[in-house]
Amino acid sequence: GAGVSQSPSNKVTEKGKDVELRCDPISGHTALYWYRQRLGQGLEFLIYFQGNSAPDKSGLPSDRFSAERTGESVSTLTIQRTQQEDSAVYLCASSFQRGDEKLFFGSGTQLSVL
Amino acid sequence: GENVEQHPSTLSVQEGDSAVIKCTYSDSASNYFPWYKQELGKGPQLIIDIRSNVGEKKDQRIAVTLNKTAKHFSLHITETQPEDSAVYFCAASLSNTGNQFYFGTGTSLTVIP
Repeated sequence: GAGVSQSPSNKVTEKGKDVELRCDPISGHTALYWYRQRLGQGLEFLIYFQGNSAPDKSGLPSDRFSAERTGESVSTLTIQRTQQEDSAVYLCASSFQRGDEKLFFGSGTQLSVL
Repeated sequence: GENVEQHPSTLSVQEGDSAVIKCTYSDSASNYFPWYKQELGKGPQLIIDIRSNVGEKKDQRIAVTLNKTAKHFSLHITETQPEDSAVYFCAASLSNTGNQFYFGTGTSLTVIP
């Protein structure tokens, strides 16, 4: 595609519900990142996928968070039993390959947990 | 791990004036320093980057300087325009590790017409 696509753009959920966020990276990009951006704050690294290598999950804040990626395409970030502190914008980024540092970001999913 | 600090958190300038945003980093091994611009409701967009083997880089009205010894780098925007209003993030990374980018906390720039 022309750019990184994320869906939904907005998600409102009730505390305790599970949510699934989707990211479609730029075609051919082997590296994919998820970041969390709380209101007025910087970007918090969550997880990184590179090709068929084991993902770097070191940024996931708790075991309620998980992510998967199918090959070198779509990725889903799942948050189980959502809490109010999970409210944030979740950004996905992709890059061409390991060592090509230019990140291309999607527009993010605004998650609101009521 | 790497720690990136960014100042100021907010910046207001008159149209036509210059704006400077500064970042410091802690890990001397970091060697790639991108700057991102984030407009309201959009994802960050890369505007300029610099590698540790270069001290300065310019692209039209935007320039970035790097001082490896002091471990700080700065974004300079000259002849600011209202469309420059956005949140700017600096970041530091170790090239070829392919994973972690360490981001600053952002600077909200407002250009007053």
